[in-house]
Amino acid sequence: AQSVTQLDSQVPVFEEAPVELRCNYSSSVSVYLFWYVQYPNQGLQLLLKYLSGSTLVKGINGFEAEFNKSQTSFHLRKPSVHISDTAEYFCAVSDQASYDKVIFGPGTSLSVIP
Amino acid sequence: DAGVIQSPRHEVTEMGQEVTLRCKPISGHDYLFWYRQTMMRGLELLIYFNNNVPIDDSGMPEDRFSAKMPNASFSTLKIQPSEPRDSAVYFCASSPRGQGRYEQFFGPGTRLTVL
Repeated sequence: AQSVTQLDSQVPVFEEAPVELRCNYSSSVSVYLFWYVQYPNQGLQLLLKYLSGSTLVKGINGFEAEFNKSQTSFHLRKPSVHISDTAEYFCAVSDQASYDKVIFGPGTSLSVIP
Repeated sequence: DAGVIQSPRHEVTEMGQEVTLRCKPISGHDYLFWYRQTMMRGLELLIYFNNNVPIDDSGMPEDRFSAKMPNASFSTLKIQPSEPRDSAVYFCASSPRGQGRYEQFFGPGTRLTVL
């Protein structure tokens, strides 16, 4: 069965500093991986996705993530964060065996400190 | 496009009352998902539809919960009777044809409080 682990529930970081949000997954088949962002009192929106091909994926708002199959990881990074990046970030996984179901991780709360 | 529309945005009700949450997916999308978000359990998939047909309802917590999609532009999630433990934010999401597992577009959610 699929599962997603986000090792950090809360990540505080100063403005303009780099950040990495960690995500590990378990799945026995080829996977599709996602990062979604949820701003306060809003629904989730897709930041980026890995379906196949290059393991380095670029998304919106300057975020990128790298798929590492051997470590079953899909960490999210940004070289310089802004106040507006303060939000909840969810890693998610799907695979060919799960049809159209996407499993979400517990989320990481990113707080950008001025 | 207006995006996924959910109503009401906030609902406060008393235990035992019937609650109906509504969702209008993005026009042309074939998939519709209902999720529940709580601090304790995170984001859980309750049920999803493809072309108005329920495909997987294994996440529906119990018989008190039911969902319908009478047409391509409308879905409801009903809780009868409601209990305090049903308090959560309920999200509806939709996806284009063949894209259910690739990208989901979420509505703003309905915050339900059961007293």
